[in-house]
Amino acid sequence: GENVEQHPSTLSVQEGDSAVIKCTYSDSASNYFPWYKQELGKRPQLIIDIRSNVGEKKDQRIAVTLNKTAKHFSLHITETQPEDSAVYFCAASINTGFQKLVFGTGTRLLVSP
Amino acid sequence: GAVVSQHPSWVICKSGTSVKIECRSLDFQATTMFWYRQFPKQSLMLMATSNEGSKATYEQGVEKDKFLINHASLTLSTLTVTSAHPEDSSFYICSARDPGLAGVEQFFGPGTRLTVL
Repeated sequence: GENVEQHPSTLSVQEGDSAVIKCTYSDSASNYFPWYKQELGKRPQLIIDIRSNVGEKKDQRIAVTLNKTAKHFSLHITETQPEDSAVYFCAASINTGFQKLVFGTGTRLLVSP
Repeated sequence: GAVVSQHPSWVICKSGTSVKIECRSLDFQATTMFWYRQFPKQSLMLMATSNEGSKATYEQGVEKDKFLINHASLTLSTLTVTSAHPEDSSFYICSARDPGLAGVEQFFGPGTRLTVL
């Protein structure tokens, strides 16, 4: 089955800096890659997603890149703000059957003012 | 649109008792719902896939007799933790896909924090 690895586990940046979180997946059949932001005690919130037919997607300060050959995808946050502090999870899904999500281990991002 | 609710938001129970958690899709019909468990400072782990009108599909290592799932309608799935023990204390989250939307996005409920004493 699918296995998703995520790095780093923690990331501390200064406000205004960029943050990059990387994930790798094992199943080449995976074709949907969402990123979630989760605040303590809250539900995961989808912040951006990408499908395998696209190499990059951007939404304001957030971007995701996908390298299908290497089976890795990355989240890029520019001009970080303290309110970006949270735990971020990547996930991968195969667009067949139940389309289950397999989550990465999470990255705790701390943005210091 | 695509709102998922859970009830209760938190529950405390004694060891050995059973606890039922409800997951509802409020503005869409969900033939498939997913149940996750999240321990503190860990990731979401899929427990089972709930299918309306049929048996749930459990992930490897999840005891189907301990975690009973019922998906009796297109808007409601329930997870019952039977004979709960302290090690079952966790954050339980459900999600659902809206088949009316042309995508695979899962919409998550707010979660239920279970504490077993």
